[in-house]
Amino acid sequence: TQLLEQSPQFLSIQEGENLTVYCNSSSVFSSLQWYRQEPGEGPVLLVTVVTGGEVKKLKRLTFQFGDARKDSSLHITAAQPGDTGLYLCAGGRPGNQFYFGTGTSLTVIP
Amino acid sequence: EPEVTQTPSHQVTQMGQEVILRCVPISNHLYFYWYRQILGQKVEFLVSFYNNEISEKSEIFDDQFSVERPDGSNFTLKIRSTKLEDSAMYFCASSEGPGGSNYGYTFGSGTRLTVV
Repeated sequence: TQLLEQSPQFLSIQEGENLTVYCNSSSVFSSLQWYRQEPGEGPVLLVTVVTGGEVKKLKRLTFQFGDARKDSSLHITAAQPGDTGLYLCAGGRPGNQFYFGTGTSLTVIP
Repeated sequence: EPEVTQTPSHQVTQMGQEVILRCVPISNHLYFYWYRQILGQKVEFLVSFYNNEISEKSEIFDDQFSVERPDGSNFTLKIRSTKLEDSAMYFCASSEGPGGSNYGYTFGSGTRLTVV
């Protein structure tokens, strides 16, 4: 099992604030994905990053894959209540499955 | 948008009983997975399935678990003799390409299994 630690575990912020969520591991991954999960639902894929140092933007969300491909971050600009949910990173290598991180539960207060 | 469909959405069963959780993956996907999430805990990998056989399984996936693709559309997870600690949300997922690569997984909405 590949251990992926996410921080913070819980985050509660006001609407309009910025935030960053971190995903760290001692293992190298060939790809890393971020998912968002809402209560009672399955995770929904947000992005996949595969190259060290890669940055991808999805509207107000910015994802970065660390140069060494051991870590990743998710930055949200001007958070909105609709961003509330559990954010999960998942690391994988070819021929192996994606293993999920410990999750960050985000609450955006209107 | 194509979906992964799971049934039932909720299942309550007595300890020691067998349960079968059903999934219909996206039709052109070739790789299938089962994950579980115990309440308040992380999403845990159980098993992956490709070309009608298990390609990888975790230590959780012991002899009490089995998977099957009985026809061209369904993908099932069977737990032979349920234990209290099997209570969890079970998610089926599928992908177009192999796991661990740049292919994303599409997850179903899950089956909440409660063992009493």
